[in-house]
Amino acid sequence: EPEVTQTPSHQVTQMGQEVILRCVPISNHLYFYWYRQILGQKVEFLVSFYNNEISEKSEIFDDQFSVERPDGSNFTLKIRSTKLEDSAMYFCASKDSGNQPQHFGDGTRLSIL
Amino acid sequence: QKEVEQNSGPLSVPEGAIASLNCTYSDRGSQSFFWYRQYSGKSPELIMSIYSNGDKEDGRFTAQLNKASQYVSLLIRDSQPSDSATYLCAVNIYGGATNKLIFGTGTLLAVQP
Repeated sequence: EPEVTQTPSHQVTQMGQEVILRCVPISNHLYFYWYRQILGQKVEFLVSFYNNEISEKSEIFDDQFSVERPDGSNFTLKIRSTKLEDSAMYFCASKDSGNQPQHFGDGTRLSIL
Repeated sequence: QKEVEQNSGPLSVPEGAIASLNCTYSDRGSQSFFWYRQYSGKSPELIMSIYSNGDKEDGRFTAQLNKASQYVSLLIRDSQPSDSATYLCAVNIYGGATNKLIFGTGTLLAVQP
């Protein structure tokens, strides 16, 4: 069964450094998402991406965050200058259309020191 | 602010019993609803989707939807210790060209052998 893949599984970064989280969505999917989950808290929406542009972003997704689909298969989340509070699990998700369910990758655990 | 509410639990049931998990949501316009299972430290895994009022059965799982009451539930029959996990209720919220998922905090289910 096709799946969403994320790399790396764990990223440790010094505060203030840039980090790029990578995702390969399911190949025929058109809608792409990033969510995050701080330890012990709920899964929170960050951003949605469709037709090569951001469709919606949450209040969390400020100017330090950006997303890109550089080559038709990868979907990346960049955090420009990381803060301690960015420490969380980051999940990439994709779906093929409309009301269909989103399928999640295994996540990247981001630890900011 | 669109919300999804779940009892955080833990819900403890003996092996072989029926586990009943409940969820309410605030957005009356929502049309699609999902249950995800999340093991500790892992990503959300889709187990059920439901779009119409009534019941939908898949193996040991039954999802129930009542849009008038803004209520979704999940029944797990013949509960097994391997069902022990956090169950996340997620509601599709329309936003621009895409939909996003709003998650509840999840209900921790513990199946006792």
